[in-house]
Amino acid sequence: DAKTTQPPSMDCAEGRAANLPCNHSTISGNEYVYWYRQIHSQGPQYIIHGLKNNETNEMASLIITEDRKSSTLILPHATLRDTAVYYCIVRFYGGSQGNLIFGKGTKLSVKP
Amino acid sequence: GAVVSQHPSRVICKSGTSVKIECRSLDFQATTMFWYRQFPKQSLMLMATSNEGSKATYEQGVEKDKFLINHASLTLSTLTVTSAHPEDSSFYICSARDRASGALDTQYFGPGTRLTVL
Repeated sequence: DAKTTQPPSMDCAEGRAANLPCNHSTISGNEYVYWYRQIHSQGPQYIIHGLKNNETNEMASLIITEDRKSSTLILPHATLRDTAVYYCIVRFYGGSQGNLIFGKGTKLSVKP
Repeated sequence: GAVVSQHPSRVICKSGTSVKIECRSLDFQATTMFWYRQFPKQSLMLMATSNEGSKATYEQGVEKDKFLINHASLTLSTLTVTSAHPEDSSFYICSARDRASGALDTQYFGPGTRLTVL
């Protein structure tokens, strides 16, 4: 799988939008971008994934650049409960390929 | 989203004993289940992948005779840490891929099991 680069940590004020960047310059055409988060001492939680179009669900929005070399996860109104480590992962879609390989992620701290 | 459970959530055992951890997909059938290990302040590391009814595929460096994986049904996988030692103390997390998700093919994670070997 292609590797990703994320900042090690970020701060965000409660109620503001949190924008978490991810670089994946070596992503191939059939690899998707997945985002998971892990709150302390819990299992990772799926957030969102996309191929090339922007995606939105009840948790977040995913903006993927046209060249697909980077993406941004947006939490529109961050709360204290969004404090977690956020992982950006690229993987093949479906079948037996592309197990989720976790990098170091971004530790997001939402502050009051 | 789909729910994956793990049991126990926390276990403390003596060195040399074996510990079994269960992973269940509660509201979906999982063709494939994964086992990860996470040491303090580190990221998750994939240990093995198991498909229902077949032998698990272990990642390089993971001892298959020490970490026994059984995926007997589409909703249950077990990880047995045999002859546990203090260095096996870690946070073990399973995940499952939803068979019926089709285009979604999303992996859902359990809450994790904290193993402490004394």
